[in-house]
Amino acid sequence: AQSVTQLDSHVSVSEGTPVLLRCNYSSSYSPSLFWYVQHPNKGLQLLLKYTSAATLVKGINGFEAEFKKSETSFHLTKPSAHMSDAAEYFCVVSGIYALNFGKGTSLLVTP
Amino acid sequence: DADVTQTPRNRITKTGKRIMLECSQTKGHDRMYWYRQDPGLGLQLIYYSFDVKDINKGEISDGYSVSRQAQAKFSLSLESAIPNQTALYFCATSDGGSETQYFGPGTRLLVL
Repeated sequence: AQSVTQLDSHVSVSEGTPVLLRCNYSSSYSPSLFWYVQHPNKGLQLLLKYTSAATLVKGINGFEAEFKKSETSFHLTKPSAHMSDAAEYFCVVSGIYALNFGKGTSLLVTP
Repeated sequence: DADVTQTPRNRITKTGKRIMLECSQTKGHDRMYWYRQDPGLGLQLIYYSFDVKDINKGEISDGYSVSRQAQAKFSLSLESAIPNQTALYFCATSDGGSETQYFGPGTRLLVL
């Protein structure tokens, strides 16, 4: 079965500092992995997607994620946080029929 | 206009009532999905449909039913609503050849 574990339910950073949101995955085959973002009272927006073409994936709004098979990780990073990055972030792995979501990491950005 | 729309956006109902949540898409995708989101639990799959004649239960289908009226329309029904069905409901679509899912804005449901 395919699953993801988001290692932090809440992350707090200061504006201008780096962001690291951690995700480990479990999959019986080579997976597709995603990060989605949900801003307050909004739907889910795709940040980036990994499909084995390149291990470092660049997404929207300056985010990127690195697929590390040896560590079964797919951590999301951004060099410098902006106030508008405050949101809920979901790590997602492709299942057989649909997507399997992590429980989410709430990112707080302080001035 | 949004590619995936959901109606209503907010709904308050009473225990025992039947309600329907509707989803429409203009992306031309074959696959459509219904999820519910509860705080701290991420999204859980209720039902999915790979085409008009293909309906499948997800991990939490009890208490729900669906109807795929057309390629572009996928409705979720609560036959007899109960308070623990209070949640945020999302519809999503994907192309058969791609796994990226595109989400609607969500329907916030409160069952009293």
